[in-house]
Amino acid sequence: NAGVMQNPRHLVRRRGQEARLRCSPMKGHSHVYWYRQLPEEGLKFMVYLQKENIIDESGMPKERFSAEFPKEGPSILRIQQVVRGDSAAYFCASSPADGSSGNTIYFGEGSWLTVV
Amino acid sequence: AQSVAQPEDQVNVAEGNPLTVKCTYSVSGNPYLFWYVQYPNRGLQFLLKYITGDNLVKGSYGFEAEFNKSQTSFHLKKPSALVSDSALYFCAVTFPENTGFQKLVFGTGTRLLVSP
Repeated sequence: NAGVMQNPRHLVRRRGQEARLRCSPMKGHSHVYWYRQLPEEGLKFMVYLQKENIIDESGMPKERFSAEFPKEGPSILRIQQVVRGDSAAYFCASSPADGSSGNTIYFGEGSWLTVV
Repeated sequence: AQSVAQPEDQVNVAEGNPLTVKCTYSVSGNPYLFWYVQYPNRGLQFLLKYITGDNLVKGSYGFEAEFNKSQTSFHLKKPSALVSDSALYFCAVTFPENTGFQKLVFGTGTRLLVSP
């Protein structure tokens, strides 16, 4: 059973460009989460999605950031007009259900974004 | 507000000695508690979780953790450390009763260094 797959693993963007990060959840998982890890910090929740629905985006910056999880295909985290402060590791995670029964959330290997 | 504290930025221990990585949380309700480990430039790997039941939880790679409700702690322990245990350890908590889904709140992480 393949784990949570993220790509690209490393991405370099110039200021003002767009970054697209992709995440395929574990097989059988319909719940996807995105977290951001700034250098030397813990992970911060960004957004929680189910298929075709954003359930909670309370951790997403108000501008330039968006996420989707279409019916078909991976979840996408999109950052428009990147700035140097966006440089971070972005982790996707998935779980089989909403966690009300304590399901484990499994993380991908992360996508490291560097803005130059 | 829900929060997790890992009071030690770094823990040093000699190989073969027992190790403890501390975690405390502030709570309203019944939390679910998790430990994850992160190796350099890698994603988070799940170690163990406490949902309910026995306060002593056993997890991967010989790690265990004890849930102490009165002290609101969930310290990670291992009887005999290995050099390969050297990594960054994150404690996380979620409060499904409050949020309705599993939004993990992470501590800032503790770096474990095991010397030969």
